[in-house]
Amino acid sequence: DIQVTQSPSSLSASVGDIVSITCRASQGIADSLAWYQQKPGKAPKLLVHDTSRLASGVPSRFSGSGSGADFTLTISSLRPEDFATYYCQQYYSPPGSFGQGTKVEIK
Amino acid sequence: QVQLVESGGGVVQPGRSLRLSCVASGFTFNSYGMNWVRQAPGKGLEWVATISYEGSNEYYADSVKGRFTISRDNSKNTLYLQMSSLRAEDTAVYYCAKGGVWFGDFSHLDSWGQGSLVTVSS
Repeated sequence: DIQVTQSPSSLSASVGDIVSITCRASQGIADSLAWYQQKPGKAPKLLVHDTSRLASGVPSRFSGSGSGADFTLTISSLRPEDFATYYCQQYYSPPGSFGQGTKVEIK
Repeated sequence: QVQLVESGGGVVQPGRSLRLSCVASGFTFNSYGMNWVRQAPGKGLEWVATISYEGSNEYYADSVKGRFTISRDNSKNTLYLQMSSLRAEDTAVYYCAKGGVWFGDFSHLDSWGQGSLVTVSS
């Protein structure tokens, strides 16, 4: 099974900061990686799929990059509504493992 | 727009069974793989199962293999999760999620339901 390790587990940042979250797979997964945002009490929301393709309606301050086994989600200028928990997920092969999550908190 | 509405959650005793349903609307249900993902209280997301668009392929997490069965009725636009031999560690919010690839099976998840809470407790 492919393991996915996400870091950091939490971070504190201010409005306007650049934030980066990384995800490392235990083997190469081509570009089969997605990023989701989840706010408390709500369902997750797709942000990025196929490593770098923004989902419909997602602001351009979100971007995804990477290849092989190492991937990054970047928020270019953090806004108040971006404080949430972020998860990566590989879908190269079942099981569709998620990262452990990164909680982005207000500094 | 895409709507996914789960039902069937509740409190169940260990060892018993429960069936979740997810009614879909706003898209061509029989053209997309469908998934179940769960989240234990205060924990992260855990992928549970995927079924291909026509129902011929099923994939399961090791933690539920042999106990849970994913199925779909394309004539009713409905996804199911039959859960048996339930354990305390199955306690979670269960989300139904639509696959993002037309005529695909295992893929990213582009739309999610609001979730259904399953509590396994005596």
